[in-house]
Amino acid sequence: GAVVSQHPSWVICKSGTSVKIECRSLDFQATTMFWYRQFPKQSLMLMATSNEGSKATYEQGVEKDKFLINHASLTLSTLTVTSAHPEDSSFYICSANPTGKATGELFFGEGSRLTVL
Amino acid sequence: AQSVAQPEDQVNVAEGNPLTVKCTYSVSGNPYLFWYVQYPNRGLQFLLKYITGDNLVKGSYGFEAEFNKSQTSFHLKKPSALVSDSALYFCAVRDPSLGDYKLSFGAGTTVTVRA
Repeated sequence: GAVVSQHPSWVICKSGTSVKIECRSLDFQATTMFWYRQFPKQSLMLMATSNEGSKATYEQGVEKDKFLINHASLTLSTLTVTSAHPEDSSFYICSANPTGKATGELFFGEGSRLTVL
Repeated sequence: AQSVAQPEDQVNVAEGNPLTVKCTYSVSGNPYLFWYVQYPNRGLQFLLKYITGDNLVKGSYGFEAEFNKSQTSFHLKKPSALVSDSALYFCAVRDPSLGDYKLSFGAGTTVTVRA
């Protein structure tokens, strides 16, 4: 149990286009999901907290208009990188906390590697 | 505020030898502590956690970790390392008194187990 699925795993796009990454909890409901960005051989940087039915909470320095987050249901959050540029190329990872499991660990997706040409 | 430090960027051991990956934490209250492992181009896999109770916790793949409150440490250990344990390891902490589920991650430690 506690599987988080991300799609796509890999995406290559042209500069100026927008890319949507999906994060789904397959066997549990998640009121809260998190989006991280990871540079090569570095730690995870929390970008935002995705809240079902309400606006996402962004960490300081993260452009909310650049990284659009929508948490439309208890099992799906999406991250849209708008007008992508080469500096947005990165590994994006989502995680989810099962609703009601207050002490539990977060479950992570497999990550999505974005390359902007 | 909550934070984690992993003092070693890299740990190299021979297969069959003990493996230790160090982690120290800082929180204002009682911590929830976690270890995750990441293989190249993959997400994070949960290894083990400390919430309360016994200071020695056992997790997946033969790993264990000991919570030491006086030293604010939560070192990850494995008695006999395997080549397949080579990966990037992250320690993470959450302060439950903050009322959210955010984790703070350490910088990560790359473990290389040589045959």
